[in-house]
Amino acid sequence: SQQGEEDPQALSIQEGENATMNCSYKTSINNLQWYRQNSGRGLVHLILIRSNEREKHSGRLRVTLDTSKKSSSLLITASRAADTASYFCATDFDSWGKLQFGAGTQVVVTP
Amino acid sequence: SQTIHQWPATLVQPVGSPLSLECTVEGTSNPNLYWYRQAAGRGLQLLFYSVGIGQISSEVPQNLSASRPQDRQFILSSKKLLLSDSGFYLCAWKGTGETQYFGPGTRLLVL
Repeated sequence: SQQGEEDPQALSIQEGENATMNCSYKTSINNLQWYRQNSGRGLVHLILIRSNEREKHSGRLRVTLDTSKKSSSLLITASRAADTASYFCATDFDSWGKLQFGAGTQVVVTP
Repeated sequence: SQTIHQWPATLVQPVGSPLSLECTVEGTSNPNLYWYRQAAGRGLQLLFYSVGIGQISSEVPQNLSASRPQDRQFILSSKKLLLSDSGFYLCAWKGTGETQYFGPGTRLLVL
């Protein structure tokens, strides 16, 4: 079963706007990872946040983690048409590195 | 640098036929290897993982099996495909770090 649930399921914004998507999960985790998937392609790793971290930045990406609420958010600032993709959160919850994925947020950025 | 390959990229097979999908990793030793399946418009579901040659763990009961004949080779197989086996199959690897890296995927259509 999928541990993560993402919100919203779909997001449509204009270039230059910010995009925020949220992920909730059910059990304790080692870390939470965000991935991007362009249509019909493999997953590209974006950012990893450990359970003892609250916020991380990477370029135009900002990720927060609230373990008390079992939730995370991904913010993409100053979005570009090339950011159009599906975004997935995945939780690493055991010692084998297995990931449980949410259903994803489909983001469309229009010029 | 490490790279991960999957083939074939696309496969159309009749119901009841056998299946063999291959995944190989370059540039790393003794990785953890994973097979995931993604149904259309959904997140990824973990099917199998392996922490070493010949060591396979199955996450969900199904019509598929996996094997790891070499350190950096992971194979997904079926003796008789079902319609429900259609989907996008992704292989991933993880080294000593926490991040999991994905291959380009194989799109399987069973008719």
